[in-house]
Amino acid sequence: AQSVSQHNHHVILSEAASLELGCNYSYGGTVNLFWYVQYPGQHLQLLLKYFSGDPLVKGIKGFEAEFIKSKFSFNLRKPSVQWSDTAEYFCAVNEGTDKLIFGTGTRLQVFP
Amino acid sequence: DGGITQSPKYLFRKEGQNVTLSCEQNLNHDAMYWYRQDPGQGLRLIYYSQIVNDFQKGDIAEGYSVSREKKESFPLTVTSAQKNPTAFYLCASSRQYSEAFFGQGTRLTVV
Repeated sequence: AQSVSQHNHHVILSEAASLELGCNYSYGGTVNLFWYVQYPGQHLQLLLKYFSGDPLVKGIKGFEAEFIKSKFSFNLRKPSVQWSDTAEYFCAVNEGTDKLIFGTGTRLQVFP
Repeated sequence: DGGITQSPKYLFRKEGQNVTLSCEQNLNHDAMYWYRQDPGQGLRLIYYSQIVNDFQKGDIAEGYSVSREKKESFPLTVTSAQKNPTAFYLCASSRQYSEAFFGQGTRLTVV
């Protein structure tokens, strides 16, 4: 069965540190890939998405992600985090159907 | 405003009772979803629907039921067969194969 793995469950950083959150998926065919963010008390919102083309995609708020097909990975990065990036981050995959599967999430805490 | 509306925001249920969570969207999306969010477990898919009058089970469908009689509406019933129903429930919709848009969620508590 299709699955999505996020290996970092809880990440703690200081402001200005660099961030990389891992995401791996199990499906071997064509996939669409997403990163969502859930700020405290807010609804889930899309950070960025990959459907095809350039494997390095840029999203909102300075986030980017790289699709590496050979590694079944779609890691999220940000060069310099801010306190306002404190949130929970979810990777999601659909396999060319409308079945959208999420990972278990990574809780990011950024301290000033 | 266009979006997804979930109601109610908070819901309390006595053990043994069925309860229905509402989800309405005015985005003209074909696909709709129900997820359950528990701490440390991410979002787990309960049911999804790609088109009116059709829906598929997700990974944790046991104890839940849905209907999709209208494009705009995808209500979720939590039945008494669901052994651990206390959770945060999220509804979403999307265009075909595209990104999902989420509602604000319903927090269900069994008392």
